[in-house]
Amino acid sequence: QSALTQPPSASGSPGQSVTISCTGTSSDVGGYNYVSWYQQHPGKAPKLMIYEVSKRPSGVPDRFSGSKSGNTASLTVSGLQAEDEADYYCSSYAGSNNFVFGTGTKVTVL
Amino acid sequence: EVQLVESGGGLVKPGGSLRLSCAASGFTFSSYSMNWVRQAPGKGLEWVSSISSSSSYIYYADSVKGRFTISRDNAKNSLYLQMNSLRAEDTAVYYCARGWSGFDPWGQGTLVTVSS
Repeated sequence: QSALTQPPSASGSPGQSVTISCTGTSSDVGGYNYVSWYQQHPGKAPKLMIYEVSKRPSGVPDRFSGSKSGNTASLTVSGLQAEDEADYYCSSYAGSNNFVFGTGTKVTVL
Repeated sequence: EVQLVESGGGLVKPGGSLRLSCAASGFTFSSYSMNWVRQAPGKGLEWVSSISSSSSYIYYADSVKGRFTISRDNAKNSLYLQMNSLRAEDTAVYYCARGWSGFDPWGQGTLVTVSS
């Protein structure tokens, strides 16, 4: 199972929006509504930000939103804040009881 | 507070074995699927294995199938990963995580280093 494709980096100024893409295939992202997104600060464990494409866990700011079109999922962070600077990973159920993660995107707040 | 705490990592020689543990607290452990995810130094996340709430269903990534065994003890609120025939490429921080449609929360991780 190949990793989902994410851009290596993305950036924006405070208050701006940034969108991260996550491209897979019809066997993973496109085939199931089980896409999730994780935020990871350096040296810390990942934190769930979005699950089932667009649902936000309790406690996650509504500045974070998720969507999907075809084989590509997206995470949008609106109103960028300094604390949003982190690595972001997407993940998808890939059938046959497997999961696959994305390659990761480093978000920089300028 | 929902909490997961991994232990058991360390330095092991190629071909060796190690058993990781994950102690759960703050929630009804027996009601949730559990997972192991690893992250090699400076690299991305890789799903390793999942186990259903009653251990009826167990799944592995192809990269560890036949070498790793996931298990759980619901009476002890604990998750385990038995790792045999370890290779250098198994070097990583190993995280346990709760859930299925979204892994939440994650433990702090335990480092496994495979080196001679």
